[in-house]
Amino acid sequence: DIQMTQSPSSLSASVGDRVTITCRASQSISIYLNWFQHNPGTAPKLLIYAASSLQSGVPSRFSGSGSGTDFTLTISSLQPEDFATYYCQQSYDSPTFGQGTKVEIK
Amino acid sequence: QITLKESGPTLVKPTQTLTLTCTFSGFSLSTSGVGVGWIRQPPGKALEWLAVIYWDDDKRYSPSLKSRLTITKDTSKNQVVLTMTNMDPVDTATYYCAQKYGSGRGSWFDPWGQGTLVTVSS
Repeated sequence: DIQMTQSPSSLSASVGDRVTITCRASQSISIYLNWFQHNPGTAPKLLIYAASSLQSGVPSRFSGSGSGTDFTLTISSLQPEDFATYYCQQSYDSPTFGQGTKVEIK
Repeated sequence: QITLKESGPTLVKPTQTLTLTCTFSGFSLSTSGVGVGWIRQPPGKALEWLAVIYWDDDKRYSPSLKSRLTITKDTSKNQVVLTMTNMDPVDTATYYCAQKYGSGRGSWFDPWGQGTLVTVSS
């Protein structure tokens, strides 16, 4: 299995802050990396696919970058509805997810 | 609008077989390129992919759980069924189904159902 490691595991931020979450793959996965947002009791939501493509309907404050083994999800200006847990997932091989990054209110 | 909904027992006993059904609308599993997958999340832990089935009946399973899983589809009912044998308390989790876009490396799960919590306990 390809292991996905996210950092940090949690962070505290304020509305308006710029937030960056990192995801590292245990081997090169090219650009085959997706990002999801998840709130407890709700369906996970696809934000970014293929490392940097914004899913339709997702606000432009979300962006993704990276290739190979290192990837980044950036929220340019954190909004109240963005407090959630974020997961990366590789689609290069059998799908695997990172352990999640919980974004909390500071 | 595409929707998916998971259904099945909320409580199963150890060693029993779990059967979950994903009922979807807004797309057909007979359309080329379409797939439906299952993903679970144990309490406080990360998401774990389990299985996926495609429009052409191609099936893929998590290598670590392959021996315990079976995924099938009923195109006429717009349903996908996942069975997991020999359930154990560590299988306690919220189980999600999701549409799979693409069958190769550039693929993703979207949208997802709300999930169903399955507890394994005697």
